[in-house]
Amino acid sequence: QLQLQESGPGLVKPSETLSLTCTVSGGSISNTNYYWGWIRQPPGKGLEWIGNIYYSGATYYNPSLKSRVTISVDTSKNQFSLKLSSVTAADTAVYYCASKTGDAFNIWGQGTMVTVSS
Amino acid sequence: QSALTQPASVSGSPGQSITISCTGTIIDVESYDLISWYQQHPGKAPKLMIYEAFKRPSGVSNRFSGSKSGNTASLTISGLQAEDEADYYCCSYAGTVTYWVFGGGTKVTVL
Repeated sequence: QLQLQESGPGLVKPSETLSLTCTVSGGSISNTNYYWGWIRQPPGKGLEWIGNIYYSGATYYNPSLKSRVTISVDTSKNQFSLKLSSVTAADTAVYYCASKTGDAFNIWGQGTMVTVSS
Repeated sequence: QSALTQPASVSGSPGQSITISCTGTIIDVESYDLISWYQQHPGKAPKLMIYEAFKRPSGVSNRFSGSKSGNTASLTISGLQAEDEADYYCCSYAGTVTYWVFGGGTKVTVL
């Protein structure tokens, strides 16, 4: 049973870079049937897709965040990561990692709250 | 403002059927059947309920069904139960520039 777990700092200062890692267990991140994605949800608001990555390293980003986002994959550790630069209070959100297959996000991590504040 | 439009809230009594709409445009919902629906209980991660517009993942109750007509996708919950009270989000593929867009979410209340 595939499981995903986010990890990273819960507090980031304005203008700095938010860094999160998603560890995949119960399956291989190199499985050719899956893409791996990040989705966020500001407090009390809806979901926003951030981007996806394939095990080969191919990336797909939300155009509104593309200039600040980098998603990478480490197949040796069965992990993929998110970096979001120049953060502001508007980036405060619960960040989810998820697997995507069948053109849907089928397995989600529990989410991790990241607050941007000095 | 979300790319896909959903009603803010829908309510129904136990046993009734309700339908949540998800309205997009020609660049997303109307052009692709790659629409998914997610259920989210408070403080929990979203759960996939429908994919490719009308397909149900294994383990999801057959009380949940999806459909699409033109630029509007719909999620119908039949035989409404107290446990169905949650937020529901639609998501659509939107081509090779925007890729994936979510709706703003619909709060379902069981009266």
